[in-house]
Order: sequence, then C-alpha cells, then structure tokens
Amino acid sequence: EPEVTQTPSHQVTQMGQEVILRCVPISNHLYFYWYRQILGQKVEFLVSFYNNEISEKSEIFDDQFSVERPDGSNFTLKIRSTKLEDSAMYFCASRTTGGGNTIYFGEGSWLTVV
Amino acid sequence: GENVEQHPSTLSVQEGDSAVIKCTYSDSASNYFPWYKQELGKGPQLIIDIRSNVGEKKDQRIAVTLNKTAKHFSLHITETQPEDSAVYFCAATREAAGNKLTFGGGTRVLVKP
Repeated sequence: EPEVTQTPSHQVTQMGQEVILRCVPISNHLYFYWYRQILGQKVEFLVSFYNNEISEKSEIFDDQFSVERPDGSNFTLKIRSTKLEDSAMYFCASRTTGGGNTIYFGEGSWLTVV
Repeated sequence: GENVEQHPSTLSVQEGDSAVIKCTYSDSASNYFPWYKQELGKGPQLIIDIRSNVGEKKDQRIAVTLNKTAKHFSLHITETQPEDSAVYFCAATREAAGNKLTFGGGTRVLVKP
C-alpha cells in the first residue's frame, strides 16, 4: 500500500538552529499537509499546500516556519530558528483530489530542541 | 473555527467487551468525520470515516454513528482485542475547504486480556 514517508524519524537540535523535515507524499496526491503533536496533546494543523502554494495555515505557522516542494516528490518543512516549544512530533500528510478525501499520514519526525 | 471535544480521555475494557468513544463538534458546516488510530511512535492511521449524508457506517468490528442535529459522532469497537489498544482520535472538517482536519484530544484505549 502506498505510504507517506518522512525523514528523519528523530532529530535533536540546539535552540536557534534551523531544521528541515522532509516528506515524500503518496505519488498521485496533490494536497500536502504538516501537522504537529506536542507530547500528550492533540494533533494540530500547521499548514496545507496545493498547486505549489500555501492554501491555509494556522496561527502556529508563523514566520519561523516555511514549506517547499523543491522537486516533484519531496515536501519539506523548515523551522528557521528553533525554540524549545517547537519540540514535538511533526506529521506530514497527503491526499488526492479525486473522490473521497482520505488524508494519509506519515510516521512522523520527532523533533527535540535542547 | 471548528472545535472538537472527545471523551473519555482514557478507556480500559476487558477483552471481548465493547468500547465507545464520543466526540462533539462545533461547526455545523463540517461534513466529514474520520477516525484515526495511533499506535506508540507511529502516525495516525485512518480506521473509518463517515460523511454527513450518512448516519451510520460499519466495517467489521468497527462502527461510527453521526447525529448531525446534536453535532456528535461516536466510534464503537465490538469484541475488543489486545491489538485494539492504542490512542484513537476523532476529527472533523469541511470537505470543500481543503480538508484541514480539527482533531479531538484523543482517547487512550487499553484492552486487558
């Protein structure tokens, strides 16, 4: 079964450093998402991306965050200057535009900011 | 915006018993309600979903019901097995609005053998 793949699975970074989380969405999907989950809390929407631009973003997704689809397969989330409170599991997700709106999630990238 | 509340936060059941998780939502325009199962260290996996034109949907031991008037929906797992132990999240969205999912707080289900 096709799946969303994410790298790295776990990253530890110093506060203030830049981090790039990578995702390979399912190949025929055209909508891409980033969500995050702080330990023990609910999954929160960060941003959606369609047709090479952000279609919606949450208040969490401030100027420190950016997304990019640098080629035909990757979808990245960059955090420019990490803060302690950015420590969380970050999930990439994707869906097709076709019938049904199932969103498929990756396994997540666990980010620890120290 | 949409707000989804989920109860209970933890649920312990004996193997073979049923488990019921309830969610309420606030946005009457929401029309798509998926349920995800999250095992430790993994991403959410869709287990069942329901759209607002349907009141109930079943898939083997799992069923979901939706009451649009009351704005609540529930997940029912029958004949629970130890492998059903996980965190379950409900979510809601407007399908026409890009599918930004709003999640409930999650229910940690423990099935005791």
